[in-house]
Amino acid sequence: QSVLTQPPSVSAAPGQKVTISCSGSSSNIGNNYVSWYQQLPGTAPKLLIYENNKRPSGIPDRFSGSKSGTSATLGITGLQTGDEADYYCGTWDSSLGGVFGGGTKLTVL
Amino acid sequence: QVQLVQSGAEVKKPGSSVKVSCKASGGTFSSYAISWVRQAPGQGLEWMGGIIPIFGTANYAQKFQGRVTITADESTSTAYMELSSLRSEDTAVYYCARVRYYGSGSYGWFDPWGQGTLVTVSS
Repeated sequence: QSVLTQPPSVSAAPGQKVTISCSGSSSNIGNNYVSWYQQLPGTAPKLLIYENNKRPSGIPDRFSGSKSGTSATLGITGLQTGDEADYYCGTWDSSLGGVFGGGTKLTVL
Repeated sequence: QVQLVQSGAEVKKPGSSVKVSCKASGGTFSSYAISWVRQAPGQGLEWMGGIIPIFGTANYAQKFQGRVTITADESTSTAYMELSSLRSEDTAVYYCARVRYYGSGSYGWFDPWGQGTLVTVSS
């Protein structure tokens, strides 16, 4: 049981938009920045979004992040087959340390 | 551009220990923290603990307290994670990651990540 709650899976057609939610509490998301990671099969996670809504160099603006209260959302527009991956939200918890969501598997139909 | 390079795969017997290394190439740890995160087969990411090399102090997830030791050698820009009393449930890929440290116990994002080290625990 992960501290942060994500939907197990989402799907959409190529070119469409999808959002992935991440729900936490005041001890984690409510008082800390959220980051998002993409994990392609058989590879290490890769940073997509940091400090709630900032993109590292090299990450296309099709990826966006937002946070409100104790929840955060990752948005992906113009879906491509190469976006098929597992997506994780992460933050810090005042008691538990680093925490992640359970991961969301994105399928591009 | 800093890259984190981890040691190779390990096969261990139940009850033994494993020590995984994580070396920064193309840079140093600087004022960042280093965390260890594991991923069991088909499962999600689980934070185990971390260290701020310039301070040398480590903190651990409660689940692993007493079984994990995280250290760092600033002179070689290498971090280590040792897990003892291994059991089959510890079979996983273990990742190190550099973590943004804001100060005063406040942390941010994980980037970059090492390539991962598969630890298999089997009799």
